[in-house]
Amino acid sequence: DTTLTQSPAFMSATPGDKVNISCKASQDIDDNMNWYQRKPGGAAVFIIQESTTRAPGIPPRFSGSGSGTDFTLTIANVESGDAAYYFCLQHDHFPYTFGQGTTLEIK
Amino acid sequence: EVQLVESGGGLVQPGGSLRLSCTASGFTFSSFEMNWVRQAPGKGLEWLAYTSRTGSVIYYADSVKGRFTISRDNAKSSLNLQMNSLRAEDTAVYFCAREKSYGLDVWGRGTAVTVSS
Repeated sequence: DTTLTQSPAFMSATPGDKVNISCKASQDIDDNMNWYQRKPGGAAVFIIQESTTRAPGIPPRFSGSGSGTDFTLTIANVESGDAAYYFCLQHDHFPYTFGQGTTLEIK
Repeated sequence: EVQLVESGGGLVQPGGSLRLSCTASGFTFSSFEMNWVRQAPGKGLEWLAYTSRTGSVIYYADSVKGRFTISRDNAKSSLNLQMNSLRAEDTAVYFCAREKSYGLDVWGRGTAVTVSS
């Protein structure tokens, strides 16, 4: 199974900051990495597909990069509404696996 | 609006059974592969099961193989997860998720399952 090591587990940011969340795969998964956002009580929202492509309706403040084993989600000009739980998913092969998640707090 | 709504969660004793359902709306359910995923308290997400559009191809995580059964009823736009021989470690929020070629794109809000005596 492919292990995804996501970091950090928790981060705090101020509006206007740029934040980076990392996801490292234990083996090559090409660009088959997605990123999601989930707020308390809500459904997960698809943010980034195939490592770099924003999902429909996602603002350009959200961007993804990486290929192979190292991936990053970047949120520029963080807003209060970005406070949420973020997680990565590899869908290169079964079993699909997830990162442990990152809780983003906005001060 | 594209939507997935899970139901059927609750409190069950160890060794018991529970059947979860996921009702789809706003899209042609039979055109999409589907998955079940769960998140235990304080843990990360865990993929559990996959079904192809017709149900002819099914995969399971090792942790639930032989105990859980995924199925679908395309006529009712419904996805199911039959859970048997439940253990305390199955306590989690269970999500259904739609799959496209680029991964899981639509998720439900989840239904909570607690396994406890």
